Amino acid sequence: NAGVTQTPKFRILKIGQSMTLQCTQDMNHNYMYWYRQDPGMGLKLIYYSVGAGITDKGEVPNGYNVSRSTTEDFPLRLELAAPSQTSVYFCASSSSLTRSEQYFGPGTRLTVT
Amino acid sequence: AQSVTQPDIHITVSEGASLELRCNYSYGATPYLFWYVQSPGQGLQLLLKYFSGDTLVQGIKGFEAEFKRSQSSFNLRKPSVHWSDAAEYFCAVVLGGGSQGNLIFGKGTKLSVKP
Repeated sequence: NAGVTQTPKFRILKIGQSMTLQCTQDMNHNYMYWYRQDPGMGLKLIYYSVGAGITDKGEVPNGYNVSRSTTEDFPLRLELAAPSQTSVYFCASSSSLTRSEQYFGPGTRLTVT
Repeated sequence: AQSVTQPDIHITVSEGASLELRCNYSYGATPYLFWYVQSPGQGLQLLLKYFSGDTLVQGIKGFEAEFKRSQSSFNLRKPSVHWSDAAEYFCAVVLGGGSQGNLIFGKGTKLSVKP
């Protein structure tokens, strides 16, 4: 099993550009999550999904959108990138039975200039 | 509101020395508690968890943590640190209690290991 994979690993965006961060898991997990990690701030939940077709906002959803058309994929869309979105983004997944035990991807480092 | 506090931003220990990383939480009932580790350039990996029962829990890589209700703490320990333990460590609690909520993470403690 590959676990949780994320692409790209690194990306530089100009202010106002858009992009999609990809996340795929092969563990058949129902729950998937997107976090951002800023230095000294821990992880903040952006969006999460409890299954295909169902998404919900986390703590810091502004400026982001998500969709969940399949169990495996949970892409995060940034529209009109801003410098405040410079961060490291982590995708995670967990099963229904042990929702709080999350498996993380390796992260995407995004810089907006 | 629920919160997790890791008082130490950065700790340096010598290889072979013992380690204790502190975590305090604020929540009325017994929370579900976790420690995750993040090696440089990597995602987070679950070290151990506490749901109920024995307050001393064992995890991977020789780590253990003790839940102390009276002190609202869940400190992580290791008797002898290895250079490969250098990483950032995050304490987390399940939002709203129970085992099925979202996680709230502390801000992390970075561990450096001196040879």
